[in-house]
Amino acid sequence: GENVEQHPSTLSVQEGDSAVIKCTYSDSASNYFPWYKQELGKGPQLIIDIRSNVGEKKDQRIAVTLNKTAKHFSLHITETQPEDSAVYFCAASKYSGAGSYQLTFGKGTKLSVIP
Amino acid sequence: GAVVSQHPSRVICKSGTSVKIECRSLDFQATTMFWYRQFPKQSLMLMATSNEGSKATYEQGVEKDKFLINHASLTLSTLTVTSAHPEDSSFYICSASLGGRGNQPQHFGDGTRLSIL
Repeated sequence: GENVEQHPSTLSVQEGDSAVIKCTYSDSASNYFPWYKQELGKGPQLIIDIRSNVGEKKDQRIAVTLNKTAKHFSLHITETQPEDSAVYFCAASKYSGAGSYQLTFGKGTKLSVIP
Repeated sequence: GAVVSQHPSRVICKSGTSVKIECRSLDFQATTMFWYRQFPKQSLMLMATSNEGSKATYEQGVEKDKFLINHASLTLSTLTVTSAHPEDSSFYICSASLGGRGNQPQHFGDGTRLSIL
């Protein structure tokens, strides 16, 4: 099955600095890679995603890169703000049969943005 | 768009009680819904996948008689924890995807914190 490794597990940055979270996946059949932000006591919120036919995608202060050959993908947050503080999860998705696609999550990164 | 509502947000009940959790897609039709369990400071663990009108597919180690899933319509799935015990206490989260052609995003509800006394 798929295995997703995520690093670092915790990350502290000064407000205004950039934050980078990295993930690797094991199954070359995975073709969709979403990133989720989870605030305390809430469900994960989709913040950006990338498909395997694209190398990079950007949405304002958030960008994601994908290296299919190396099976790496990364989340980049620029000009961090205190409200970016949360737990971030990467995930990899592939077809699991019966018309369904399943997500395999990384273990999460707790990002703290220090004012 | 793509709003998923989960209810209730918190349940506290006695051991032996059965608890039903509802998951609704409010502004789209969800061909597939997923149920996850999350322990404190850990990642999400997939429990089961349900497609509208068919039986749920459970992950290895998840008891289907313990965790009953019903996906009766394209906007509603329910998870019933039967005869709950303290070890069933956890954060349960549902998600829904549009389905159809290709790999579609999953959109999550805000979870249900279940505490069994």
